[in-house]
Amino acid sequence: NAGVTQTPKFRILKIGQSMTLQCAQDMNHNYMYWYRQDPGMGLKLIYYSVGAGITDKGEVPNGYNVSRSTTEDFPLRLELAAPSQTSVYFCASRRGQTNQPQHFGDGTRLSIL
Amino acid sequence: DAKTTQPTSMDCAEGRAANLPCNHSTISGNEYVYWYRQIHSQGPQYIIHGLKNNETNEMASLIITEDRKSSTLILPHATLRDTAVYYCIAVGTSGTYKYIFGTGTRLKVLA
Repeated sequence: NAGVTQTPKFRILKIGQSMTLQCAQDMNHNYMYWYRQDPGMGLKLIYYSVGAGITDKGEVPNGYNVSRSTTEDFPLRLELAAPSQTSVYFCASRRGQTNQPQHFGDGTRLSIL
Repeated sequence: DAKTTQPTSMDCAEGRAANLPCNHSTISGNEYVYWYRQIHSQGPQYIIHGLKNNETNEMASLIITEDRKSSTLILPHATLRDTAVYYCIAVGTSGTYKYIFGTGTRLKVLA
């Protein structure tokens, strides 16, 4: 039972490069979320999805894009990497029913130099 | 979703109960209280949640006051491995179930 799988675990990018952070879950969860966590801070919501084909912005969406073509996958795209996007990124998923917790992946640590 | 406030840090002796408070004075009637912890920089780990009744599982107990304005997470016999940042989150049940994280409580369990 893999749960929520995030790849890669670590990445260093140069300013202006682009990349996609991958997130996959094998629990058939409808809801998926992307968060970022800066040092010493709590997690902040970037984007979320309530099902395949449906996405919406969270608290800090600028500089990111997402897509949700399948139930299992929810990739996060950085188009023009900036130093301010240096952070740890977490993906989470949950069932559609009320009263269910989110399950988090192990994170992707991203540095932009 | 209601905002939650927690103390920045707490210490607890190993083997003793750790009591972590959370204030959520603006919580609405349909919002649950969820607790997570984050060890080092790993992904947040779900601990427990409740609406208005006290709850217990294999990890912890959750005590919610009758007016629901505050709650306490209890780790009955803290170990060194319980050293982590603990987050209390109020989550509504209509729509997106988004989490708004505060800065949490940094619990240090002392040998």
